Amino acid sequence: GDSVTQMEGPVTLSEEAFLTINCTYTATGYPSLFWYVQYPGEGLQLLLKATKADDKGSNKGFEATYRKETTSFHLEKGSVQVSDSAVYFCALSDRRGYSTLTFGKGTMLLVSP
Amino acid sequence: DAGVIQSPRHEVTEMGQEVTLRCKPISGHNSLFWYRQTMMRGLELLIYFNNNVPIDDSGMPEDRFSAKMPNASFSTLKIQPSEPRDSAVYFCASSSGQGATEAFFGQGTRLTVV
Repeated sequence: GDSVTQMEGPVTLSEEAFLTINCTYTATGYPSLFWYVQYPGEGLQLLLKATKADDKGSNKGFEATYRKETTSFHLEKGSVQVSDSAVYFCALSDRRGYSTLTFGKGTMLLVSP
Repeated sequence: DAGVIQSPRHEVTEMGQEVTLRCKPISGHNSLFWYRQTMMRGLELLIYFNNNVPIDDSGMPEDRFSAKMPNASFSTLKIQPSEPRDSAVYFCASSSGQGATEAFFGQGTRLTVV
């Protein structure tokens, strides 16, 4: 079945540091890929998405590129802020289905001033 | 739009009691999903509906769990009887259908069974 693997956390960074959170996937077919963010006590919010190979999703300074050859969708941000502290989930959706999501375990990001 | 609305936000109940979680999807969305989040297992899909019809309930852990969607604007997830291991955050999400569209999540219901 489909699966998503992302790096374990927590990732601890100082403000303005560069962020990378790795995500790889296994899927039959040709999935869409997503990054969701969960702030403390909140639900999941879509951060960015990509629907085909070489697509780059971007939002709020975060970027991720759909790499079919390496089955990866790594999340990056050039300069993190304290307000970026949250849990980040990589997910895939089989476009043949009903947009059901398969999630990675989540990576907690802690940014200190 | 108010987004996906879940109630209650928090629920504390005693083992053996019936628990009902509620969800109002985004107007116009025709797919609705129930997920459960725990530290051990992460986010798991329990069941999903399309046009109010259950499509796949293979993620429902036991017969104690049931879900309904009587109309396009309301769904319930019921646990009867509840057990301490059911303690988790339950999320409802909705989407506009098949394909690449993303799902929009509610704020979740934190269930504690003591």
